[in-house]
Amino acid sequence: QSALTQPPSASGSPGQSVTFSCTGTSSDVGGYNYVSWYKHHPGKAPQLLIYEVNKRPSGVPDRFSGSKSGNTASLTVSGLQAEDEADYYCNSYAGSDRYVFGTGTKVTVL
Amino acid sequence: QVRLVQSGAEVKKPGASVKVSCQAFGYSFSSYSIHWVRQAPGQGLEWMGIINPRGGTTTYAQRLQGRVSMTRDTSTSTVYMELSSLRFEDTAVYYCLRRSVDSIVAFDIGGQGTMVTVSS
Repeated sequence: QSALTQPPSASGSPGQSVTFSCTGTSSDVGGYNYVSWYKHHPGKAPQLLIYEVNKRPSGVPDRFSGSKSGNTASLTVSGLQAEDEADYYCNSYAGSDRYVFGTGTKVTVL
Repeated sequence: QVRLVQSGAEVKKPGASVKVSCQAFGYSFSSYSIHWVRQAPGQGLEWMGIINPRGGTTTYAQRLQGRVSMTRDTSTSTVYMELSSLRFEDTAVYYCLRRSVDSIVAFDIGGQGTMVTVSS
């Protein structure tokens, strides 16, 4: 199972929006509406932002939104804040109770 | 308070095995699967496998099949991840993550991470 492909980096000024992608195959991203997104600081547990493509857990600001088209999922962070600076990973169910992470995107707030 | 508490850092030699524990507090242990995920230095997150504490059933990432084993002890609400035949590239921070309350295909609560260093 190969890692899902994410751009290595993304950036924006405070208040702007940034969107980045997560590309897989029909065996993972394209085959299920089971993409989740995580914010991660190395050395800490990943924080769930979005599950099942576009659903937000309680407590996650509505500045975070997710979508999917075909084999590509996307995460949008609106109204960028300094605290949004982190690594972001997508994850997809890949069948047979297996999962796969994306390669990660480092978000910088300029 | 819902939390997962992992065992401490380990230093192992190549070829050895390591066993990391993850103890659950504050929720019904058997109701939520536990995933194991790792991050090597400078690398991304890698999904390693999942264990269902209710029946102990497991599924492992194909690239780790044969080297990884996940078990649980329901009496102490603890899951274990054992990785054998350690290689230098197994040096990583290992996390246990609980299945999300909102979705069976996402993870919410995570342990604090366990650093495993493979060094000769």
